[in-house]
Amino acid sequence: EVQLVESGGGLVQPGGSLRLSCAASGFTFSSYWMDWVRQAPGKGLEWVANINQDGSEKYYVDSVKGRFTISRDNAKNSLYLQMNSLRAEDTAVYYCTRQLDSWGQGTLVTVSS
Amino acid sequence: DIQLTQSPSSLSASVGDRVTITCRASQGISNSLSWIQQKPGKAPKSLMYAASNLQSGVPSKFSGSGSGTDFTLTISSLQPEDFATYYCLQYKSYPRTFGQGTKLEIK
Repeated sequence: EVQLVESGGGLVQPGGSLRLSCAASGFTFSSYWMDWVRQAPGKGLEWVANINQDGSEKYYVDSVKGRFTISRDNAKNSLYLQMNSLRAEDTAVYYCTRQLDSWGQGTLVTVSS
Repeated sequence: DIQLTQSPSSLSASVGDRVTITCRASQGISNSLSWIQQKPGKAPKSLMYAASNLQSGVPSKFSGSGSGTDFTLTISSLQPEDFATYYCLQYKSYPRTFGQGTKLEIK
């Protein structure tokens, strides 16, 4: 069974940083693209970024380019999202997904002073 | 960016009904479209990929069709557990984009 468990969310001040992690199990992690998707409170889903199997290709939504960095460690079956220069509009539940077909439970990031 | 427009945005239906949700893309995306279900307070769940292929474990009451710019999700014989918000998602190009969602409510 595919399991994706996010961690690292919390309350951070505007301009601050957070690193989200996603622990994957139940499948061959190194064989799949991985994505981050977020959902602001009461809003719809927004794709954030993805990364290919060996980490050589990465794509981002424009609103996070230059601030967020997606990465992975295939030896640890883990996906990461480094978030810098956080803004109030980054407040959301962040979901780790395997190729947008399996989803974690999400971790809440709140950017507020 | 490719825009996805779902209709309707909300829908009231009764247990046992058959409903159809549509998703229109601002440009052709072949069949690179998924449907996703989200219940309140829960993580999203993928129902369908490549427009008409059911994800493993998803019941056959869900069906999808379409190609190019126009897509539909049909749910037959609605049950209480089907009342949720449904999103379409395109993965033809970057950035990936979602429709705004269709909230399916019990009448």
